[in-house]
This record gives sequence, C-alpha cells and structure tokens, in this order.
Amino acid sequence: GAVVSQHPSRVICKSGTSVKIECRSLDFQATTMFWYRQFPKQSLMLMATSNEGSKATYEQGVEKDKFLINHASLTLSTLTVTSAHPEDSSFYICSAGGTSGGAYEQYFGPGTRLTVT
Amino acid sequence: AQKVTQAQTEISVVEKEDVTLDCVYETRDTTYYLFWYKQPPSGELVFLIRRNSFDEQNEISGRYSWNFQKSTSSFNFTITASQVVDSAVYFCALREYNNNDMRFGAGTRLTVKP
Repeated sequence: GAVVSQHPSRVICKSGTSVKIECRSLDFQATTMFWYRQFPKQSLMLMATSNEGSKATYEQGVEKDKFLINHASLTLSTLTVTSAHPEDSSFYICSAGGTSGGAYEQYFGPGTRLTVT
Repeated sequence: AQKVTQAQTEISVVEKEDVTLDCVYETRDTTYYLFWYKQPPSGELVFLIRRNSFDEQNEISGRYSWNFQKSTSSFNFTITASQVVDSAVYFCALREYNNNDMRFGAGTRLTVKP
C-alpha cells in the first residue's frame, strides 16, 4: 500500500498558540484527505474531509475556524489547530484517499500526538 | 448514515486461547466495504483486511479469520491461538461506496496474558 507520513509525530505546545500538522502522501495521488481525532481510549472520529483544491467539509460539532485544513496538492494536506487549549490535546490521524488501479483506496498516516499545556 | 457497533469494550484471554471480536454494522447502501484495523500502543493503525459487500466468502490469513454474514450485518474477527503480541485495540470500520469517508466502531481492547 501507499505510504502516508505525518509531521510532527509528537508536539507539545502552550495554550493559546497554534500548531500545524502536515500529512504527506508519498507515493499516492490523494484526491481526498481525511482528518480524524482520537481521544484516549476512544475511537477515531472524523473531523473533516477535503478534496484537493477545495475547501474542507467539516463534521457537525467541529469548529472550522479552529481547525484549519488546507489541501493544496495531491500529496500534502495540513491541519492547523489555532489558539490551542488543553482540551484539544488528542491524537490526530490523517488519511489519504484516491483511486488506484480502478479502485478507491485509503491509507492512514501514523498519527500526531498533540499535548497542549 | 453508516454505523458500526463493537459491543465488546475489553476482552482478556490467556495465551493460546481463541478469541472472537464482534462487529455489527448498519448501512443503506447496497455496495460498501468493511475493514478491520489493529492499533498497537504506538497508535499507528495497521490494516488487517478489507471485504467488499458483494463478496461474502470468509477469509483466513494465518491465525486470523473473518466471518462476513450479510444476513445479520456482521463481520466478526477471530484470532486463533492468541499470542501476547496480539494485544492491541482492534477497530472495525465501514465505508459506503457513495460516501468515501470511513466510519469506525468504538474499538475492542484485547489483552492476551502469558
């Protein structure tokens, strides 16, 4: 399968600052990027979906002005957590989706653990 | 909208026991895809299997096997002769053909004791 990377893998920031997380699809044309959030001992919850070159679609309850998503190319998407607060501390996972060999495939990144102090 | 239910929150077994993780799903689509992922303590999701809705054949891969039953909307996962390294959280997920986002069940935490 394709390789999806995330950077950084772990980040600690102070409350009120912004943090940017990068998701790269290294060998796969990701027409769609998905961002998930996972709180401790909970499942992955979809935050937003973005198609390359378009604005992201956010799930109900996810603040679009707080979680800024950019998907400018087929290989890169970024999630910026603006004015982070301790309750934003979570594990953020991206997923790259696209068509490969006639079938739709989806590959997950290794995740980014965000801690807001 | 699609929904995935994993009723077993935690399961604990002793090494070499067989264990089955349950997954029940809901969808209005006639074409959909079911998945199982393993999430070890590192957090990275490990893909285990994908099953298309039109393929009800059961699958075996080493000590892993999957039982797909459309009549009961279930896609259960069995680990035979469990090992300590099988300890992880296992997620069942569903993706509808007309809606590319993947929805996850709550997960089942499996602990295999030596």
